[in-house]
Amino acid sequence: GAGVSQSPSNKVTEKGKDVELRCDPISGHTALYWYRQSLGQGLEFLIYFQGNSAPDKSGLPSDRFSAERTGGSVSTLTIQRTQQEDSAVYLCASSRSYRTGGTDTQYFGPGTRLTVL
Amino acid sequence: SQQGEEDPQALSIQEGENATMNCSYKTSINNLQWYRQNSGRGLVHLILIRSNEREKHSGRLRVTLDTSKKSSSLLITASRAADTASYFCATGNQAGTALIFGKGTTLSVSS
Repeated sequence: GAGVSQSPSNKVTEKGKDVELRCDPISGHTALYWYRQSLGQGLEFLIYFQGNSAPDKSGLPSDRFSAERTGGSVSTLTIQRTQQEDSAVYLCASSRSYRTGGTDTQYFGPGTRLTVL
Repeated sequence: SQQGEEDPQALSIQEGENATMNCSYKTSINNLQWYRQNSGRGLVHLILIRSNEREKHSGRLRVTLDTSKKSSSLLITASRAADTASYFCATGNQAGTALIFGKGTTLSVSS
């Protein structure tokens, strides 16, 4: 089946504007993750959704960042009042399930490259 | 905070040579995963090794895990130009809700 898809693939915005990034996980995957990767850096965890459970938002860098997942499928990451330091590639991943004590193999989308001018 | 730290940061080899990348981590784990990333975009899962395993093979990949030293290594044998990419190790965070990645090893394979 189809993999994880993200849109847009590239987004250029002006400082102070709001942006929305979309993620369509693999059908049937109950867990969804957002990560951020700044230039030359590893991936930074942002937020995790698992079924109907409360999301783990511990990685969100500020209250300008929020995310929702509607109907247990599509997720939207919103960044309000964007700043230049928000420029990065935002990656979404999904996995089949949450396993106690460990994380399942994650399948990543191609990412959205966000540039804040 | 980073859990995995890859070493070296960059590696350049010729086609046909073997490439070895190392990863160290800090806390106890249930499993360790290796991912590959091409051109700074989506990551592709390569292999998962569980904490009770010491070695695992997949095609030209060989992964070892030493839990006493909190380290893992990824060996790519008979490398090809197409293996050029960044390689990341990842382990689960304490809550088990996400993977924590190192900064990766950038591998360049020239023909």
